[in-house]
Amino acid sequence: ETGVTQTPRHLVMGMTNKKSLKCEQHLGHNAMYWYKQSAKKPLELMFVYNFKEQTENNSVPSRFSPECPNSSHLFLHLHTLQPEDSALYLCASSQDGREYSNQPQHFGDGTRLSIL
Amino acid sequence: DAKTTQPNSMESNEEEPVHLPCNHSTISGTDYIHWYRQLPSQGPEYVIHGLTSNVNNRMASLAIAEDRKSSTLILHRATLRDAAVYYCILRGGATNKLIFGTGTLLAVQP
Repeated sequence: ETGVTQTPRHLVMGMTNKKSLKCEQHLGHNAMYWYKQSAKKPLELMFVYNFKEQTENNSVPSRFSPECPNSSHLFLHLHTLQPEDSALYLCASSQDGREYSNQPQHFGDGTRLSIL
Repeated sequence: DAKTTQPNSMESNEEEPVHLPCNHSTISGTDYIHWYRQLPSQGPEYVIHGLTSNVNNRMASLAIAEDRKSSTLILHRATLRDAAVYYCILRGGATNKLIFGTGTLLAVQP
């Protein structure tokens, strides 16, 4: 299997639930990213991990908690979400996340999250 | 981050060339011009990037103006599968971020 795989593809949850989104990349990359794409809004970068270390948190509320146990896996743990958190959550990876790196990012197809 | 301006939408006919413009008048000397596209129900897909010279790959060509204040993504023969939102993004300096705008929605007619 190649590329960036995200599971589940669709998730419906209540505001009091706890769930996790999973991302796995088979590209040998060392940097991984979470993005949020809300309806009619541009993609927004949420978190960046480079060699398993978080290097960027783009002022994301604490109800979103990322975890990167190794360079191939990235999780987004969700708890007590709000209706406005309904969106498409996209994971991406790149060879590395160093400064001045222009390497392409490879995206998964996302998890469509709906908060009831 | 330097900003890009793209038309909201464009239309093309199948098997004809498509020229997607992007203006970036505030580009700095270290900014690369990146293009991504997002097909329906998929994540974004890297298309091409360049700094000063025109670039070609199997997907498209990138033509960069001499003053670098604008660029054009060229799809040589549009297919129905090329219908997508195309994003022109400036990326450079110490940041590794991709800052997405609203892009150009390309419709391809059979």
